[in-house]
Amino acid sequence: GGIITQTPKFLIGQEGQKLTLKCQQNFNHDTMYWYRQDSGKGLRLIYYSITENDLQKGDLSEGYDASREKKSSFSLTVTSAQKNEMAVFLCASSITPLGNYAEQFFGPGTRLTVL
Amino acid sequence: GDQVEQSPSALSLHEGTSSALRCNFTTTTRSVQWFRQNSRGSLINLFYLASGTKENGRLKSAFDSKELYSTLHIRDAQLEDSGTYFCAAGTGNTRKLIFGLGTTLQVQP
Repeated sequence: GGIITQTPKFLIGQEGQKLTLKCQQNFNHDTMYWYRQDSGKGLRLIYYSITENDLQKGDLSEGYDASREKKSSFSLTVTSAQKNEMAVFLCASSITPLGNYAEQFFGPGTRLTVL
Repeated sequence: GDQVEQSPSALSLHEGTSSALRCNFTTTTRSVQWFRQNSRGSLINLFYLASGTKENGRLKSAFDSKELYSTLHIRDAQLEDSGTYFCAAGTGNTRKLIFGLGTTLQVQP
């Protein structure tokens, strides 16, 4: 087994601010993901990475940057926080899937509020 | 676009009763995951299926890739089963999961 940790748990930012969220996993998984969850909705993929230094855009990549510094860590940057934005950002990881599918495991999330 | 239609959107059960949640897929789906999201927002993995059925205690899930649906059966519901249940489909040529909007389950005494 393993765990995924996300920091910070809560993030409060100002409009226009650049904000960075961090994710660490000790599953030794190759692939990591960032999803966004808005209130009352499912998750949408922002970025994923299949190996160190790799980045792949998801459906929601505009307004975000990501960085896969090493196998165990994956960072997400909100390049310019939007006023009144509230969302939960969830990090996930999986083994490198055969074909394109593998079970994903999720971290506890970072809750973003922009004032 | 690709969609995962999850039903019902909300469900209330009394302890000890049973019910089923369903997800319909509008495109070819190669795998499905079921999660429960607890009150703290954590996503707990329940099932991962590429085909067939799986059972774990009072929970059982089935996935029919030809008929494009998956179900999650909850037997003998307990208070701790309360939460929001999501299904997510592995589709297409990317590694993303496409999530449904969730079923909010409340189990009452």
